[in-house]
This record gives sequence, C-alpha cells and structure tokens, in this order.
Amino acid sequence: NAGVMQNPRHLVRRRGQEARLRCSPMKGHSHVYWYRQLPEEGLKFMVYLQKENIIDESGMPKERFSAEFPKEGPSILRIQQVVRGDSAAYFCASSQRTGVFGTQYFGPGTRLLVL
Amino acid sequence: KNQVEQSPQSLIILEGKNCTLQCNYTVSPFSNLRWYKQDTGRGPVSLTIMTFSENTKSNGRYTATLDADTKQSSLHITASQLSDSASYICVVSEDYGQNFVFGPGTRLSVLP
Repeated sequence: NAGVMQNPRHLVRRRGQEARLRCSPMKGHSHVYWYRQLPEEGLKFMVYLQKENIIDESGMPKERFSAEFPKEGPSILRIQQVVRGDSAAYFCASSQRTGVFGTQYFGPGTRLLVL
Repeated sequence: KNQVEQSPQSLIILEGKNCTLQCNYTVSPFSNLRWYKQDTGRGPVSLTIMTFSENTKSNGRYTATLDADTKQSSLHITASQLSDSASYICVVSEDYGQNFVFGPGTRLSVLP
C-alpha cells in the first residue's frame, strides 16, 4: 500500500503563472487535507476535502487559491497568478476516517518557488 | 483565539540522553492532541494521539502525557538516537477533530 503521493516534488513558477499541485491519497482514504508551511514556520491548515466535496476551506485564501478532489483522480490544489509570498512547502495528508480516530498520513510535500 | 505553543523552540542533546518537549494549548472545545515528527524535507509522521480521557500514551521510546485541566502536554524521548533529530509538532483538534491547530514545533538535534 503506497503512501500519500504528491507531485511534483519541486515546482518553480514566475510571478503571474499558475501552479497545480497534485495529491494522491493512500488507497482507501477518502479524506484529504492540504497544509502550507512557510520557511521556518509551522504547518497551517488550508482545506479539507472529501470526494467531490469541500468540507472546510477556512484556512485557504479567498482569492487565487482553489482545491478539488474529484471522484476519479488526485486532489488538486491550484494557485492562480502566483506571487512571491506563495513560495512555501505544500503538504497533503489523507485519512480513512475523521475525528479522533482519523490518523492523517502526510505526503512528502511540494516545494513551490516563485521567482 | 485557538493557539498551540511549544517549548523550547530548539534543543540540542547528546546521544543516549533523555529529553522532554512541552506543548500548551488554548484550543476549545478540545477533541484530541497529536504529536508528529517531521524530518527535514519530509512530511510529518504521527507519533501519538490522545483524547480527553487519556493522560499518557507510549510509542516505543516516545511517551506523551496530557493534562486536559491545565491544557498541557509533553513528549518525553528516552535514550535518544541520532535519528531522533527532527522537528516535533504538537497538533490540537477542536470540535469533532476536523479542525487542526498546529504548534510551531520544537527542533531537536541529537549529537554523537
């Protein structure tokens, strides 16, 4: 059973371009979470999705950021018109259940650098 | 405001020694508290999960404690190894465990 997969591992974009980050959860996991980690800072929750539904997007900026978790395929975090402040590591986690029993398994992260 | 604080910010110890990391939180209502280990350049890995009714949980050389009254938790590492060098993150869930508040982490360095 492969772990959480994220790609690309590293992504370089120029200001104004779009960034697409992909996350494939562990087999059997229907809950996906996205987090952002700025350099030298802790992880910050962005969004929680189940298949085809956004459950909680309270941590996601209102503009330029969007996330989806379609019925088929990976979860996508999309950042439009990137700015230098978007440079960070973006981690995806998946779980089989939520709540106290829902252990989250993290992917290796995607490191986004905006030039 | 829901917050999680960790201390110390960083810690250096010699291989074989024990250490204790602290976590204080103001998250309410409380659901559960987790400790994660994050190696440099990797995603966090879960070490322990504790609910309100649990006050201690072990995972090998890692032992976590929880005092829900004072809203404090600690992670004790016994007989440290070089591979313990990492950031240790305290995460507190509110409500039914769907909202996660991450602490800033404690960066542990174990030297030979």
